[in-house]
Amino acid sequence: AQTVTQSQPEMSVQEAETVTLSCTYDTSESDYYLFWYKQPPSRQMILVIRQEAYKQQNATENRFSVNFQKAAKSFSLKISDSQLGDAAMYFCAYIYAGNNRKLIWGLGTSLGVNP
Amino acid sequence: GAVVSQHPSRVICKSGTSVKIECRSLDFQATTMFWYRQFPKQSLMLMATSNEGSKATYEQGVEKDKFLINHASLTLSTLTVTSAHPEDSSFYICSAPGTAKTYGYTFGSGTRLTVV
Repeated sequence: AQTVTQSQPEMSVQEAETVTLSCTYDTSESDYYLFWYKQPPSRQMILVIRQEAYKQQNATENRFSVNFQKAAKSFSLKISDSQLGDAAMYFCAYIYAGNNRKLIWGLGTSLGVNP
Repeated sequence: GAVVSQHPSRVICKSGTSVKIECRSLDFQATTMFWYRQFPKQSLMLMATSNEGSKATYEQGVEKDKFLINHASLTLSTLTVTSAHPEDSSFYICSAPGTAKTYGYTFGSGTRLTVV
């Protein structure tokens, strides 16, 4: 069975600094997608970044980038120039690119940003 | 972009009553809707998957008779919590999958249910 592990329940970063959130996953599939979602205090889930497993190039979205290590089954999120608005729960998620379109979720990392 | 509208955002109900939560896809057709439950500072727990025109598929341990899910049309899925009890108090979120190409998911804004 597929699993997603986020080993850092809480993290904090100083405003304008860089922080990396860890995520590892386990799957026997070769075709899949990985996501990072942000859930701010409003609790609206927001897609931060998406990575297709078949792409070797790491995905980037402005200040957000990932380090995708397929062989190691690692998918970390780097947030550069952290802003107060980045404070939120961050969830790593996996989906197999087949007919079963259920997302498998990590337990989340609560990120605090210190001014 | 794709939007899922979820209502109500908050509801307080008395123990023993039923509450209906609606999720509507506003600018796309959602043939599938995922329903999640989330406790404070925890991850999302998938409760069930609704499919338009067929019965919902429930995850193990989820009571079908308590959490009634209906996918009446390509734009509307509902979750009814029947005979609610305080332990049903939680945050409920719906989500519709995106296209096969993007595999993006669109989430409703969630419903905070409090049973008193």
